[in-house]
Amino acid sequence: AQSVTQLDSQVPVFEEAPVELRCNYSSSVSVYLFWYVQYPNQGLQLLLKYLSGSTLVESINGFEAEFNKSQTSFHLRKPSVHISDTAEYFCAVTSGTYKYIFGTGTRLKVLA
Amino acid sequence: EADIYQTPRYLVIGTGKKITLECSQTMGHDKMYWYQQDPGMELHLIHYSYGVNSTEKGDLSSESTVSRIRTEHFPLTLESARPSHTSQYLCASSEHKGRSTEAFFGQGTRLTVV
Repeated sequence: AQSVTQLDSQVPVFEEAPVELRCNYSSSVSVYLFWYVQYPNQGLQLLLKYLSGSTLVESINGFEAEFNKSQTSFHLRKPSVHISDTAEYFCAVTSGTYKYIFGTGTRLKVLA
Repeated sequence: EADIYQTPRYLVIGTGKKITLECSQTMGHDKMYWYQQDPGMELHLIHYSYGVNSTEKGDLSSESTVSRIRTEHFPLTLESARPSHTSQYLCASSEHKGRSTEAFFGQGTRLTVV
């Protein structure tokens, strides 16, 4: 069985400050890892994913995440956040069963 | 851009009514999913399908039912709506070919049962 833990339910941060959203997972098999973003009254949009290869993956809007196998983590980071980054962020895993397991989400609130 | 559509976006309905939430995708994905999400809460898988005529219950028990008669269509039905069914319902699909492993989500249907 797989599980995903997002320890921070809410993260307030000032605009232009750096942020890290934490994600830890557990699985007995190899997994694919994802970060999704959800804006109010919207579905989920893929932010970035890790499949294999380089452990550092980047999105087009400045977010990055690093896969750490020994710590079973996939933390999301951004060096300088904007007001428009305010949203709910979900970490997810899937394996050969192709069922996606989601964390409880982290609400990022960027303050002016 | 994801081509997966859910209708209606918002639905307010009385207790005891039968409802069907529609989900269609034009990407030819064989796998489709329904998730239930309460406000500010995690997503819970309630149904999934690996292809036509294949449906399975998810990790969260649900009184809803689904069907998969066509690849592109995965409707969810509640025979008798109750206030406890009030929630957001998200439909998703995936392909798993090459480096395409992510799920694509629709915009969601926010259901309110009064």
